[in-house]
Amino acid sequence: EDQVTQSPEALRLQEGESSSLNCSYTVSGLRGLFWYRQDPGKGPEFLFTLYSAGEEKEKERLKATLTKKESFLHITAPKPEDSATYLCAVQAGDQGAQKLVFGQGTRLTINP
Amino acid sequence: NAGVTQTPKFQVLKTGQSMTLQCAQDMNHEYMSWYRQDPGMGLRLIHYSVGAGITDQGEVPNGYNVSRSTTEDFPLRLLSAAPSQTSVYFCASSYSPWISTDTQYFGPGTRLTVL
Repeated sequence: EDQVTQSPEALRLQEGESSSLNCSYTVSGLRGLFWYRQDPGKGPEFLFTLYSAGEEKEKERLKATLTKKESFLHITAPKPEDSATYLCAVQAGDQGAQKLVFGQGTRLTINP
Repeated sequence: NAGVTQTPKFQVLKTGQSMTLQCAQDMNHEYMSWYRQDPGMGLRLIHYSVGAGITDQGEVPNGYNVSRSTTEDFPLRLLSAAPSQTSVYFCASSYSPWISTDTQYFGPGTRLTVL
């Protein structure tokens, strides 16, 4: 069974304090790993897709990396507006149509 | 483009009542799906559709029905609501169902409470 586990569940940082969120996965043939941002009361907003181990993608203060067992979302010098829940999801290789499996999310709070 | 829209935003039902959650997209996306989000559980796939007239079950389909008569609309029906269906429901869409890594775009959600 495909599984995605995110850690920590919650993270509180001071503005400017860099850190990383973890997404570990066990799937039968990874086709893609997705990161989404979700603000309170809103739907998930797409950030990145990673396809293969060693791949990295960046967007402003965020950088996502992928290994064969996990992905990291690195946040450099975060600002209060980066506060949100970050969701990780995977698409496994033996699924015909898209069937994303999501982790529970990491709730990130950046204090000014 | 409005993207993915969902109505209503909030709904309270009594056990046994029925209702339909509406989802529409104006991006000409073939793939549409419904997820529910519960605390500590993450998003779980309920039903999905790869095109008009074609639907299939996801991870947690029991208690829900769907149909897809047009490309734009994908309603989710609760025939007899139960307290276990209290959740936040999200609709999502993407351009191609067969590009497994195609980006899914989510609607704003419907918060449903069943008493």
